[in-house]
Amino acid sequence: DGGITQSPKYLFRKEGQNVTLSCEQNLNHDAMYWYRQDPGQGLRLIYYSQIVNDFQKGDIAEGYSVSREKKESFPLTVTSAQKNPTAFYLCASSDTGFAFTEAFFGQGTRLTVV
Amino acid sequence: QQPVQSPQAVILREGEDAVINCSSSKALYSVHWYRQKHGEAPVFLMILLKGGEQKGHDKISASFNEKKQQSSLYLTASQLSYSGTYFCGTEIEWGATNKLIFGTGTLLAVQP
Repeated sequence: DGGITQSPKYLFRKEGQNVTLSCEQNLNHDAMYWYRQDPGQGLRLIYYSQIVNDFQKGDIAEGYSVSREKKESFPLTVTSAQKNPTAFYLCASSDTGFAFTEAFFGQGTRLTVV
Repeated sequence: QQPVQSPQAVILREGEDAVINCSSSKALYSVHWYRQKHGEAPVFLMILLKGGEQKGHDKISASFNEKKQQSSLYLTASQLSYSGTYFCGTEIEWGATNKLIFGTGTLLAVQP
């Protein structure tokens, strides 16, 4: 079945560490996105990519980095520069841009700083 | 840029109706609606396009007022399965392309 797979489901990070969240899709979608979800704040856009080897910063990109070397993969690295990384992270993809097409979401990764 | 949703939370009995509103300060290309169960991924419900084309759900309807930059989601004869957090996603212009900005969410609880 086609879909988006995020891993791991739960992730614990020590202060000062970088961690990478995985996002893989087999829907053949061009566009992929990372959102951060905090209680009461909805989904906030971190980064997005319309095509391979190209990506754009979202509203809260500071302390995060991404790569898009393959169409099906869009990993997110949470760096030590991100001062408050504890949150629920959602990856999404869509056929092209958002117009006319729905976004499909992964099951999310819950990151906790210990 | 983040659209404002109202109400923040609503409690219904089965069979009652509800309206969730979404208002943006930006010109909108489209409005998406999603429902999220606790700890799960958001699930697509509906997309409303400029010009009035609507694609989505059988039992839930929505409206999109382009001039007012507002959208409303209408839930009629609510069922227990309607419970969850509803998000509107507003597509706005962003440089050479567009981006989807989500609202803060509306928590809906349907009770027997």
